[in-house]
Amino acid sequence: AQSVTQLGSHVSVSEGALVLLRCNYSSSVPPYLFWYVQYPNQGLQLLLKYTTGATLVKGINGFEAEFKKSETSFHLTKPSAHMSDAAEYFCAVSGIIQGAQKLVFGQGTRLTINP
Amino acid sequence: DTAVSQTPKYLVTQMGNDKSIKCEQNLGHDTMYWYKQDSKKFLKIMFSYNNKELIINETVPNRFSPKSPDKAHLNLHINSLELGDSAVYFCASSQDLWVNEQYFGPGTRLTVT
Repeated sequence: AQSVTQLGSHVSVSEGALVLLRCNYSSSVPPYLFWYVQYPNQGLQLLLKYTTGATLVKGINGFEAEFKKSETSFHLTKPSAHMSDAAEYFCAVSGIIQGAQKLVFGQGTRLTINP
Repeated sequence: DTAVSQTPKYLVTQMGNDKSIKCEQNLGHDTMYWYKQDSKKFLKIMFSYNNKELIINETVPNRFSPKSPDKAHLNLHINSLELGDSAVYFCASSQDLWVNEQYFGPGTRLTVT
C-alpha cells in the first residue's frame, strides 16, 4: 500500500523567503515521487519528479526536492518565494501495482505569499 | 494547442439526472485516467484505461461508467447523480502504464443540487 502525508495544510511565507513544503510517504514498492502544483481553477502541473538516480531533483520555477529514503521524505524547497508561487501543492507517490501505475496524492498544501 | 481537454468546464444539474463529461488528449498517450477532487482538495483516482482497456477501477459506484472509444478519448458517464457526486473531476493522460508524468486537464466542476 502507498500513502502520502503532507505536513501543514497551509503554509504562509513572505516574498523572498525560503519555501519549504513537507512530504512524507509510505510505499511497499520502490517509490516514484512527484510534486504537482495547482493554480486556482486549473488542472495540475508537474513541478518535478524522482524516479531513480540523483536524490536531489530540480524542477521548474526554481523548485527542488530531495529524496531521503531513511526519512521517507521528499520535501519541496525554493530559496526565494515569488508572488506567483501562491498555489496548492500536491505531493504524490507512485508505484507499479498489479501491472499498472497508480498515483496516490497527499492532501495538498496551500502556499500563500505575503508581500 | 491544449494537451488534455475536458468538456464541459462547469456542470450544474439536479439529483437523479444522468450526465457525461468528455476528455480528449492530443499527446499520443496510451493511458488515460479519471480523478475526483473533493471540496477539501483531496485527489483520488477513479479509473485508468490503457489503449481502451480498463486497468484500474477504484471501487467507484456502478453509477459511474467510463468509456474509451479510442485511446485519445476517455469519457465519464454518471447515472442517477447524487449530492455527494459534487466535486471537480480531472482527466489525465500518460505515455504508458509505467511510471511517467501524468498530464492533467483543466477539470470539470460538477455541482449536484
